[in-house]
Amino acid sequence: DVKVTQSSRYLVKRTGEKVFLECVQDMDHENMFWYRQDPGLGLRLIYFSYDVKMKEKGDIPEGYSVSREKKERFSLILESASTNQTSMYLCASRPGQNNEKLFFGSGTQLSVL
Amino acid sequence: RKEVEQDPGPFNVPEGATVAFNCTYSNSASQSFFWYRQDCRKEPKLLMSVYSSGNEDGRFTAQLNRASQYISLLIRDSKLSDSATYLCVQAGGFKTIFGAGTRLFVKA
Repeated sequence: DVKVTQSSRYLVKRTGEKVFLECVQDMDHENMFWYRQDPGLGLRLIYFSYDVKMKEKGDIPEGYSVSREKKERFSLILESASTNQTSMYLCASRPGQNNEKLFFGSGTQLSVL
Repeated sequence: RKEVEQDPGPFNVPEGATVAFNCTYSNSASQSFFWYRQDCRKEPKLLMSVYSSGNEDGRFTAQLNRASQYISLLIRDSKLSDSATYLCVQAGGFKTIFGAGTRLFVKA
């Protein structure tokens, strides 16, 4: 089975802190994604990466950056956390562009106080 | 207008009932469609792909109507364990769009 692991299930940070969310997949998938999920809004794409060291902005990249130095790891960075970034963050991966089925990590519930 | 729209529900049905969800999409060029299931406080998991010819997986039937730009999910003989949020998804290239989900509660 594909395993997508997110480093923290729950995280509480203060406004202005730098926050790192880590995601690791063990199936040699090419593509990785970061979403946030808010009630009534569904999942919204923040950033994605189609290969190592490659990254592309999604629909809501403001306030976030990403890093993909190794194929299996995709990190989401909040440079200066704000209260409106309180959300559920979901990492996902898939084999490649020709296989569109996504496999998700268990999510990180981030609260910014 | 949202690219993928779903009735948020909730749908409250008794065990054994048949329930149907619809989802409309605006991008007629979309290539692939899926239904994902998400349990409370858990990650979404793929339930089934949706094909133009319609497809079935046990008690679940998915349909795609490209002319009217909607997809549907039918659940027959509902079980308590079917209680979850069902997400309609359209995909094409790197763009995967999720609906906000339809909540289903199946009661004994």
